[in-house]
Amino acid sequence: DTAVSQTPKYLVTQMGNDKSIKCEQNLGHDTMYWYKQDSKKFLKIMFSYNNKELIINETVPNRFSPKSPDKAHLNLHINSLELGDSAVYFCASSPAGSDTQYFGPGTRLTVL
Amino acid sequence: AQSVSQHNHHVILSEAASLELGCNYSYGGTVNLFWYVQYPGQHLQLLLKYFSGDPLVKGIKGFEAEFIKSKFSFNLRKPSVQWSDTAEYFCAVNYMGRRALTFGSGTRLQVQP
Repeated sequence: DTAVSQTPKYLVTQMGNDKSIKCEQNLGHDTMYWYKQDSKKFLKIMFSYNNKELIINETVPNRFSPKSPDKAHLNLHINSLELGDSAVYFCASSPAGSDTQYFGPGTRLTVL
Repeated sequence: AQSVSQHNHHVILSEAASLELGCNYSYGGTVNLFWYVQYPGQHLQLLLKYFSGDPLVKGIKGFEAEFIKSKFSFNLRKPSVQWSDTAEYFCAVNYMGRRALTFGSGTRLQVQP
């Protein structure tokens, strides 16, 4: 019974392509996040949604568009992929009233 | 800008040695503090957290951390490390009013048998 799941686990694609990463949590949490971990292992927040509403949108190229169809899902769509987008993308969630975040297994994106 | 610093980038220890990993954060008012661990090829797991109360918090797997408000620090400790503790350790801070974590750059711990 996976708490926060992401698909796919690995994604290899060519520059210029459009791709999506999906995230689902079965914890009943209200808030979901996307983080990017670069090649130096540095983690940085990209987006945060609370009850399907965008609450944090960091300085991220507008090629990245999050979509939250419902409270349990937060997908990340990336247009016109670039080499610099290669990273591990982590989804996370947290319950209402708590800042403790629970992370998914990550999606390793490689742009060739 | 809010930032988190982890001073040790790579630590190598022998089994049974004691561990202390430093973490400092920039002032930003009230904070919640976390340590996460990332084992090779795995996702981030919560080790421990501090919200309020006793500044010495105990986490899983024998880890503990001490919050020293005057030093803006939240150092992670373990009295005796094991080979299975080999992993990347991340300090993270939640600044009140911001629903996201600010992470340090991580410390890679390598425990030699």
